[in-house]
Amino acid sequence: DTEVTQTPKHLVMGMTNKKSLKCEQHMGHRAMYWYKQKAKKPPELMFVYSYEKLSINESVPSRFSPECPNSSLLNLHLHALQPEDSALYLCASSHRQGGNTEAFFGQGTRLTVV
Amino acid sequence: AQSVSQHNHHVILSEAASLELGCNYSYGGTVNLFWYVQYPGQHLQLLLKYFSGDPLVKGIKGFEAEFIKSKFSFNLRKPSVQWSDTAEYFCAVNGYSGAGSYQLTFGKGTKLSVIP
Repeated sequence: DTEVTQTPKHLVMGMTNKKSLKCEQHMGHRAMYWYKQKAKKPPELMFVYSYEKLSINESVPSRFSPECPNSSLLNLHLHALQPEDSALYLCASSHRQGGNTEAFFGQGTRLTVV
Repeated sequence: AQSVSQHNHHVILSEAASLELGCNYSYGGTVNLFWYVQYPGQHLQLLLKYFSGDPLVKGIKGFEAEFIKSKFSFNLRKPSVQWSDTAEYFCAVNGYSGAGSYQLTFGKGTKLSVIP
């Protein structure tokens, strides 16, 4: 199984809503990532978890709150988002944090904030 | 800080034409380089990677890339493209960002359109 599974695939939420994005992998990877991708732009790193501990937070606003409950799961909790937060949110995982490791990406959650 | 430049924003080719997409990187440490492809509506998939060794790297679907250290380049090539190669192509570098962490940085991407 070389899949990273993200749910939901699409999400529409209001600016006062609270929602969560979920990501799951069963490859035994110990590094997991959240990226944000706007239309016609490259993915931008948001958070990195290594061995279930947050190791990188790329100055992301607090309305995005990551959580790694175990080595297979990664959540992104959303609260009070703005319309400009509408984007494709990608989850990825890799064997470990390191230069010579390959990241596997999920299909993403397309988020629309209204 | 590391960065990646992809020179071509949109490339349009006819089927069977040869492809070369440019990628230049800026990073002071040991380079780990990748090409990812994103087909319409699909997730990012790894085409090929370079960590060390032979600078000519072969990937999936007939793609290859050459690492030229003196030029800080990692260009992607394919001798004969097919309509199914229509996609967005991203070059990326994975470099050390401090405190034991590594960061995968993407170029802006090149959209390839192949005309049947």
